[in-house]
Amino acid sequence: QITLKESGPTLVKPTQTLTLTCTFSGFSLSTSGVGVGWIRQPPGKALEWLALIYWNDDKRYSPSLKSRLTITKDTSKNQVVLTMTNMDPVDTATYYCAHSAIAVAGTFHYYYGMDVWGQGTTVTVSS
Amino acid sequence: SYVLTQPPSVSLAPGQTARITCGGENIGIRSVHWYQQKPGQAPVLVVYDDDDRPSGIPERFSGSNSRNTATLTISGVEAGDEANYYCQVWDGNSGRFVFGTGTNVIVL
Repeated sequence: QITLKESGPTLVKPTQTLTLTCTFSGFSLSTSGVGVGWIRQPPGKALEWLALIYWNDDKRYSPSLKSRLTITKDTSKNQVVLTMTNMDPVDTATYYCAHSAIAVAGTFHYYYGMDVWGQGTTVTVSS
Repeated sequence: SYVLTQPPSVSLAPGQTARITCGGENIGIRSVHWYQQKPGQAPVLVVYDDDDRPSGIPERFSGSNSRNTATLTISGVEAGDEANYYCQVWDGNSGRFVFGTGTNVIVL
């Protein structure tokens, strides 16, 4: 059974750096094709994809947030960490991590959806 | 950038069929995933790769995708289906996942 759980601060001040950790079980990030992604959702608004990291350390970022985001993995700890710099009140949201996968055949890449999600963690940006 | 447009809401009575659209330029050539999100809960994948269902998802949920519109169909809608639904695709041009604007399904 795959499970994921997000952890991190519930309150950060503007301009600070947010660090979120996703701790997972039921799969390994050293298995070919496996990935973990981050998604956020401001209160009352739609989902927004942020970043993805794959078993081979390949990383994908939202172009609009790329300069502020860093995603890393610790395979031995079954953790994925997302850092977001220069936090602003508009970054107030629930942040989710989720299991995903990719299939590669030559130059063709198939990106699977997010099939298992964590419960989410709420982050408020306020002074 | 690639945009996915969904109707804000769909209202229907129990037993009716809900059709939730997701519009995007040439979306028919992309693989579409659909998520259900109930209030206060994390999203759940209900359809992947246009028309496949994960294990545990009722057969009432089905999907289709053609030309500029993908559709999630919920047959015989139940009160428990009341939720927000989001479509999602991978945009290879920008190298990112894109979510739709979301549709609130209201069961009267």
